[in-house]
Amino acid sequence: KNEVEQSPQNLTAQEGEFITINCSYSVGISALHWLQQHPGGGIVSLFMLSSGKKKHGRLIATINIQEKHSSLHITASHPRDSAVYICAVVITQGGSEKLVFGKGMKLTVNP
Amino acid sequence: EPEVTQTPSHQVTQMGQEVILRCVPISNHLYFYWYRQILGQKVEFLVSFYNNEISEKSEIFDDQFSVERPDGSNFTLKIRSTKLEDSAMYFCASMGGIYIQYFGAGTRLSVL
Repeated sequence: KNEVEQSPQNLTAQEGEFITINCSYSVGISALHWLQQHPGGGIVSLFMLSSGKKKHGRLIATINIQEKHSSLHITASHPRDSAVYICAVVITQGGSEKLVFGKGMKLTVNP
Repeated sequence: EPEVTQTPSHQVTQMGQEVILRCVPISNHLYFYWYRQILGQKVEFLVSFYNNEISEKSEIFDDQFSVERPDGSNFTLKIRSTKLEDSAMYFCASMGGIYIQYFGAGTRLSVL
């Protein structure tokens, strides 16, 4: 069973649309990351959340610890937002932390 | 802005050969990580390293793998005898502040 589930797995949108990407997890976590992976493969950290909501430009991330759920929203989407969006949770065990990743959601924004 | 640097960006090797993947973490970070992503699959944790020793490793990280911080700036991942299934993108990450990991651009390893 995957500890981190993302939905949808793929999404195609038109430029300007509001997009929501969901992440659910089944384990106790210390924090949650939203990451962006471009076709070249590099990973960029967008947000790290342990509670509430964060906003950066057109991106908004929320987390509900009780429901074990997080969402990433993209407002006024643009073709340059096309990438794979990955949810990763921070699990702390025995004093060390590790990231457990979801499979990612491939977003394509068409002009 | 400080960044994590990985070299090489692409490594091609023959099966059975040893490879060393190199990472230069952000200079004041104390926690270091290696992750692997096989093409088309999710990113997987390999190992975490703190205070000059492994703090946690996954079941993927078997005796073929080792990590080292040889000189206080580099953080290396060695694969002793590569197998075809080791072909993947390998990401290094480092962490200074709590929970925020910074990723390198990755090294694509191709084992022929």
